[in-house]
Amino acid sequence: GENVEQHPSTLSVQEGDSAVIKCTYSDSASNYFPWYKQELGKRPQLIIDIRSNVGEKKDQRIAVTLNKTAKHFSLHITETQPEDSAVYFCASGRTASKLTFGTGTRLQVTL
Amino acid sequence: GAVVSQHPSWVICKSGTSVKIECRSLDFQATTMFWYRQFPKQSLMLMATSNEGSKATYEQGVEKDKFLINHASLTLSTLTVTSAHPEDSSFYICSAILAGPEQQFFGPGTRLTVL
Repeated sequence: GENVEQHPSTLSVQEGDSAVIKCTYSDSASNYFPWYKQELGKRPQLIIDIRSNVGEKKDQRIAVTLNKTAKHFSLHITETQPEDSAVYFCASGRTASKLTFGTGTRLQVTL
Repeated sequence: GAVVSQHPSWVICKSGTSVKIECRSLDFQATTMFWYRQFPKQSLMLMATSNEGSKATYEQGVEKDKFLINHASLTLSTLTVTSAHPEDSSFYICSAILAGPEQQFFGPGTRLTVL
């Protein structure tokens, strides 16, 4: 089955700096790569996703890049704010119905 | 759109009792829903895939007689934890697939504590 590795497990950045979280996957047939943000005790929220027919997608301060050849994808958050503090999970799968999740990255944005 | 609700948000029960958790897609129909379990500071572990009108598909190691799933309509799936024990205490989260293009949206989760 699919194996997803996520790094780093924790990340601390100063407000205004950028944060980058990286994931690698094993199934070359995976086509869908979403990112979820989960605040303590809350639901995972879909913040951005990318499909294998594009290499990059951006939504305001959030961007995701995909390298299918290397089988890795990354989340980039620019101009970080305290409210960006949360746990971020990457996931990959052949479809949205068959996702394997990464182990999560705890992002702390400090003032 | 794409709102998924769960009820209850938390429940405390005695060992040996059964607990039912409901998952609803509020503004869309979901032929497929999922049930996950999440331990503190850990990732989401898929327990089973719930398909409307058919039997659920369970992941390896998940006891189907322990975790009963019923997906009786296009907007409701239920998870019943039977004969709950303290080791069943966890955060249970459901999700549903929104079509066109497919995306997976999560419910707010149910925190189960078994005494």
